Amino acid sequence: DIQLTQSPSSLSASVGDRVTITCRASQDILTSLNWYQQKPGKAPKLFIYAASSLQGGVPSRFSGSGSGTTFTLTISSLQPEDFATYYCQQAFSARWSFGQGTKVEI
Amino acid sequence: QVQLVQSGSELKKPGASVKVSCKASGYTFTSYAINWVRQAPGQGLEWMGWITTNTGNPMYAQGFTGRFVFSLDTSVSTAYLQISSLKADDTAIYFCAIDSGSGFHWGQGTLVTVSS
Repeated sequence: DIQLTQSPSSLSASVGDRVTITCRASQDILTSLNWYQQKPGKAPKLFIYAASSLQGGVPSRFSGSGSGTTFTLTISSLQPEDFATYYCQQAFSARWSFGQGTKVEI
Repeated sequence: QVQLVQSGSELKKPGASVKVSCKASGYTFTSYAINWVRQAPGQGLEWMGWITTNTGNPMYAQGFTGRFVFSLDTSVSTAYLQISSLKADDTAIYFCAIDSGSGFHWGQGTLVTVSS
């Protein structure tokens, strides 16, 4: 199975900061990597798909990059509504897997 | 539009069983496999497996064999997750989700609480 390692597991940031989260895959997954935002009690919400494509309705301050085994999610200027937990997910294999999550806190 | 609507929260005693439903709409039900994902309290997302909706073949991830059963009723476009012999550490939110090829769609989640 494909393992995803996300870092950091949590971070503290302020409104306006630039934030970068990294996800590393245990094997080449091309660009089959999604990023989700999750808030407490809610289903994960797809933000980035295919490594770098912005889901409709997601603010342009979010961006994704990478291919192969290393991927990043960047928030260019953190806003109050961005404080949440972010997960990467690989869909290269039909056997999905998720990173352990990154909690973005004030 | 694609929608996955799950059944409501459940409170069960240890040893009991629970059946969670996931009703699909907005697409041809038999086109995409239904995946199940677990999220224990304060924990991350854990993929449980999937069931193909055209053949009804389930595939269970490690750790989800034996007490966990995926099933379908294609006549009502609904997938089910049944958990038997419930334990306290089955307490979690259970999500259904699909990869439609043009997007990933999730149900709202079903909270299953196991407590005496």
